[in-house]
Amino acid sequence: DTEVTQTPKHLVMGMTNKKSLKCEQHMGHRAMYWYKQKAKKPPELMFVYSYEKLSINESVPSRFSPECPNSSLLNLHLHALQPEDSALYLCASSQASGRAHEQFFGPGTRLTVL
Amino acid sequence: AQKVTQAQTEISVVEKEDVTLDCVYETRDTTYYLFWYKQPPSGELVFLIRRNSFDEQNEISGRYSWNFQKSTSSFNFTITASQVVDSAVYFCALRAIIQGAQKLVFGQGTRLTINP
Repeated sequence: DTEVTQTPKHLVMGMTNKKSLKCEQHMGHRAMYWYKQKAKKPPELMFVYSYEKLSINESVPSRFSPECPNSSLLNLHLHALQPEDSALYLCASSQASGRAHEQFFGPGTRLTVL
Repeated sequence: AQKVTQAQTEISVVEKEDVTLDCVYETRDTTYYLFWYKQPPSGELVFLIRRNSFDEQNEISGRYSWNFQKSTSSFNFTITASQVVDSAVYFCALRAIIQGAQKLVFGQGTRLTINP
């Protein structure tokens, strides 16, 4: 089963709301990733978790807060977002972070901030 | 620094034509890994292939083939007898290691449209 699931598929939120994005994989992967993708641009890495520990934070604003409760789950908590944060948020997983294993991506959450 | 260049922003062909998507990379690493991903309109990135720097054999998978040339730092992707379902954005990517963790450096992508 090479599936990464993400919920919700779509999310509309106001600038004062708090919401969370959820990602789940059951492939036994030990590395999980959050990417942000704006229209007509490539994905931009936000965070990397390796063995449930945060290993990369690409200078992401603190209004984005990642969490990895266990090896299968990855959350992204959102608070006080700006309209420019509207984008497709992609989650990915791979066998291990330090090796050149392919990343498997979820379908993404389309976020609109009003 | 690692960099991937996909010079073709958009390509449009008629169904059954062959089409090649170009990818040029820059890296100082002697061992490196390259990837191709497909992103259909649904949004999910679909892994197509991984190639390491010490294996220069070209690869074919059905209608897809990849030409890896270290001498020109290129990793081009050809679709033979294209079909409408091949319409998508295609990304070439290079692996970078930062703080012991893997990061994919993506090219800007090529939007491929196959017209019936």
